[in-house]
Amino acid sequence: DGGITQSPKYLFRKEGQNVTLSCEQNLNHDAMYWYRQDPGQGLRLIYYSQIVNDFQKGDIAEGYSVSREKKESFPLTVTSAQKNPTAFYLCASSTRKGVSNQPQHFGDGTRLSIL
Amino acid sequence: AQKITQTQPGMFVQEKEAVTLDCTYDTSDPSYGLFWYKQPSSGEMIFLIYQGSYDQQNATEGRYSLNFQKARKSANLVISASQLGDSAMYFCAMGRGANNLFFGTGTRLTVIP
Repeated sequence: DGGITQSPKYLFRKEGQNVTLSCEQNLNHDAMYWYRQDPGQGLRLIYYSQIVNDFQKGDIAEGYSVSREKKESFPLTVTSAQKNPTAFYLCASSTRKGVSNQPQHFGDGTRLSIL
Repeated sequence: AQKITQTQPGMFVQEKEAVTLDCTYDTSDPSYGLFWYKQPSSGEMIFLIYQGSYDQQNATEGRYSLNFQKARKSANLVISASQLGDSAMYFCAMGRGANNLFFGTGTRLTVIP
């Protein structure tokens, strides 16, 4: 079955530690996205990538970094500079980059907490 | 700048009844798309329905329909014949440049048996 796989499902971070969230898709989609969701809130865009080896900052990129070395993979690193990382992180992908009518398909998310 | 407003934090509906979830938006772009997603308690986001700004007819997908009123900048989701499995958070979102989505704060729908 085609889809988006996020791992781990739960992640705990110690103070001063960087952690990396994995996102893999086998939908052959060009574009991939990372969102953050806080309790009772909608999703906010962290980073997005429309093509391999290229990515752009979203609305709340500070304290995060990404890479896009393969079409299938778009890992997100939450750095120690992100002072409030506790949230639910969702990865998404879509086809036809640059077109605003294609739905994004989402993974099941990763819940990140501070120890 | 885009803005999405969902004014109903929570809604209740009796099983088998219809319910309307409100969404208003603001944008200066002449071409845009509006999406609705469902988020069950498990957390995944499920795409429900899409409406393009130039579409002449309101979108429908099974029990879901979108009441699109462009002049009023509203894109309300109508769920007919509600089922217990419809209980979830519902998010309205706008497509913007590079196919990014801008989300509202959501409405929690509870279906009562």
